[in-house]
Amino acid sequence: AQRVTQPEKLLSVFKGAPVELKCNYSYSGSPELFWYVQYSRQRLQLLLRHISRESIKGFTADLNKGETSFHLKKPFAQEEDSAMYYCALRGAGTALIFGKGTTLSVSS
Amino acid sequence: GAVVSQHPSWVICKSGTSVKIECRSLDFQATTMFWYRQFPKQSLMLMATSNEGSKATYEQGVEKDKFLINHASLTLSTLTVTSAHPEDSSFYICSARHNNYGYTFGSGTRLTVV
Repeated sequence: AQRVTQPEKLLSVFKGAPVELKCNYSYSGSPELFWYVQYSRQRLQLLLRHISRESIKGFTADLNKGETSFHLKKPFAQEEDSAMYYCALRGAGTALIFGKGTTLSVSS
Repeated sequence: GAVVSQHPSWVICKSGTSVKIECRSLDFQATTMFWYRQFPKQSLMLMATSNEGSKATYEQGVEKDKFLINHASLTLSTLTVTSAHPEDSSFYICSARHNNYGYTFGSGTRLTVV
């Protein structure tokens, strides 16, 4: 079965603190993994995908096949990073399967 | 590029009536589109995969007769919620996959059934 687990429903940090949003997946094959962000009252936007290995808005994520994880990290959180973050998997099918999401709250 | 337009953004309907939601790919052709349902502050639950020119593929537990999907052209997929009931109230989101830009999402439709 394909499954994405985001164990934290809410993550609160202070501005300037490091951030790590956890994501674990379950899939027997080679997955494609993504991070999407949803700002208040806006549509989902692609933040990262593992195949491109890029850094967007200071966020990075590394696929760890041994631990089946794709954690999202940023060394210094900004207030504008406050949003809902979803980890998603594309496995056997063509659709994305989403985790339950983590709300990131960055306060000054 | 790769913009998906979803319409309407919100709709209120009476119990027992049907509501149609449109999803259009504005600047690309999408042979496959996806319909999700999102509960407040929760995840997106995949409802079905919409295939141009053929029947949609529904996820387990999603009623085909309740949520009718039509993908008659390469740029338009529609979701019709038939005989809507208050428990169908939710946020519905469509998505399409672009070859270069990956998955792109509509802005969603807030359905309220009264």
